[in-house]
Amino acid sequence: SYELTQPLSVSVALGQTARITCGGNNIGSKNVHWYQQKPGQAPVLVIYRDSNRPSGIPERFSGSNSGNTATLTISRAQAGDEADYYCQVWDSSTAVFGGGTKLTVL
Amino acid sequence: QLQLQESGPGLVKPSETLSLTCTVSGGSISSSSYYWGWIRQPPGKGLEWIGSIYYSGSTYYNPSLKSRVTISVDTSKNQFSLKLSSVTAADTAVYYCARESYDNRVNWFDPWGQGTLVTVSS
Repeated sequence: SYELTQPLSVSVALGQTARITCGGNNIGSKNVHWYQQKPGQAPVLVIYRDSNRPSGIPERFSGSNSGNTATLTISRAQAGDEADYYCQVWDSSTAVFGGGTKLTVL
Repeated sequence: QLQLQESGPGLVKPSETLSLTCTVSGGSISSSSYYWGWIRQPPGKGLEWIGSIYYSGSTYYNPSLKSRVTISVDTSKNQFSLKLSSVTAADTAVYYCARESYDNRVNWFDPWGQGTLVTVSS
């Protein structure tokens, strides 16, 4: 089965840029979606189809996908961006989620 | 604004069947543009997709759970439901329902319900 690998944690200084990676075999050939989950809340879609932002998501959130790595980039990180982030793809008609990355804003 | 709300027992005994319903408001479950899915999250762990359904009743399931899962839809009530049989403690999780948008054969989950915790214990 297809596997997605995310770092357990990423730290970023307030106002700086955070990059969260999602690794998978030839993931660049797939469409990657990203979800933000704050404690005690349901996940929220922040990026779909590699680099598209749903309405209401700040422009500070962007995504890219190439080769074996997809990346979620959060510019000018704010305290409110502290959350768990999950990448997701489809493989053989099965939705696969990465293990999640905890983003800490220092 | 579309909203989804999960409902069902919060406690299920081992070997029994877990049953949950997701009620959709602010939009029609019969829209041809969407599927409807179930995702779960064990306490302190990551997300696991369970399965999805189209308003016509067409379903697809996670192979790891397929033998125990049934998802159904009731368009008259704007609801879809999950049944998971022969549950064990490993099925203890927060269960989310979500709308599954698709475009050009690419699907994503948005929005999600608030989730409901189901504990499997005697």
